[in-house]
Amino acid sequence: EVQLVQSGAEVKKPGESLKISCKGSGYTFTNNWIGWVRQMPGKGLEWMGIIYPGDSDTKYSPSFQGQVTISADKSISTAYLQWSSLKASDTAMYFCALTLGDCSSSTCYSPFEYWGQGILVTVSS
Amino acid sequence: DIQMTQSPSSVSASVGDRVTITCRASQHISSWLAWYQQKPGKAPKLLIYAASSLQSGVPSRFSGSGFGTDFTLTISSLQPEDFATYYCQQADSFPITFGQGTRLEIK
Repeated sequence: EVQLVQSGAEVKKPGESLKISCKGSGYTFTNNWIGWVRQMPGKGLEWMGIIYPGDSDTKYSPSFQGQVTISADKSISTAYLQWSSLKASDTAMYFCALTLGDCSSSTCYSPFEYWGQGILVTVSS
Repeated sequence: DIQMTQSPSSVSASVGDRVTITCRASQHISSWLAWYQQKPGKAPKLLIYAASSLQSGVPSRFSGSGFGTDFTLTISSLQPEDFATYYCQQADSFPITFGQGTRLEIK
């Protein structure tokens, strides 16, 4: 059974750093792209970026490029999303999501078939 | 970036009703469109991919159609568990983008 299990909720102060995780199981972790999606309180879904754990090839949305870092550790089948300096506006639910199809340099034609349960990140002074 | 616009933003309907949600892309995306259902506090769930292909395990009352820039999601006979928010998503080019969502409420 394919599963994506995300780390627990986080409460942080502005300016602090944070790294959240998403552990994959039930499929070949290195051969499939994992993306991250933000959902701000009461708002819609925003695609942040995607990584291929096999070679760490990463694509970012221009809206998030330079604001976050996406990485993966294939030895423990885990993808990460990290911030070096959080802002209050980073308060949101963050989902990881798996596509079992391939991605090219320009797109991932396949949809996100599997999702993690989400991590609520709260940034407040 | 490709902009995805859904309509309506919200709709009220009754159990048994037929409901159609529309998604329009700001440029041609062929059939590279997916539909997701999201319930409060939960992760989105894939319903339809490639504009009209039903994801495994999804009830057949859900159907999708469209090509190019205009797409629809239809629920043929609403069930109580279908009241949720629905999102379209284009997969034609990076950055991947979602519609703003359509909230389906009980009348």
